[in-house]
Amino acid sequence: EDQVTQSPEALRLQEGESSSLNCSYTVSGLRGLFWYRQDPGKGPEFLFTLYSAGEEKEKERLKATLTKKESFLHITAPKPEDSATYLCAVQALTDSWGKFQFGAGTQVVVTP
Amino acid sequence: NAGVTQTPKFRVLKTGQSMTLLCAQDMNHEYMYWYRQDPGMGLRLIHYSVGEGTTAKGEVPDGYNVSRLKKQNFLLGLESAAPSQTSVYFCASSYSLASEQYFGPGTRLTVT
Repeated sequence: EDQVTQSPEALRLQEGESSSLNCSYTVSGLRGLFWYRQDPGKGPEFLFTLYSAGEEKEKERLKATLTKKESFLHITAPKPEDSATYLCAVQALTDSWGKFQFGAGTQVVVTP
Repeated sequence: NAGVTQTPKFRVLKTGQSMTLLCAQDMNHEYMYWYRQDPGMGLRLIHYSVGEGTTAKGEVPDGYNVSRLKKQNFLLGLESAAPSQTSVYFCASSYSLASEQYFGPGTRLTVT
């Protein structure tokens, strides 16, 4: 069965203090790994898609990387506006209808 | 371009009442999804649709029904609400099988 585990569950950072979030996954052939940001009371907002091990994507202070077993979301010199819950999801090659398996998320709080 | 919209934003039901949640997207996407999000459990797929007139069950379909009579709309119905259906409901859509999903703002439902 496909599984996605995110760690840590919560992360508290000082502004400027870089850190990484982990998303480990078990899937029978990866079609894609997706990162989302979710603000309180809102829907998830798409950030990145990664398809193969070694791939990296960047957007402002965020950088996502992918290995065969896990993905990392690196937050460099975070600002308070980076506070959010970050979700990852995987899609398996065996899924014929685009099913996403989501992790429970990492809640990030960045204090000034 | 509004993206994915959901109505209503909030709703309180009594046990046994029925209601319909409406999702609309203006991106001409073929695939549409209904999720529920509960604390600590991540997003779980209720039902999905791969095109107008087609629907299928996700991982937690019991107690829900769906319809997709028009390509841009995806309706989620609760025939007899139960307290276990208290949750935040998100609709999402995607262009293709392997592409990212775009989420609506959510509907917060409380069943008393």
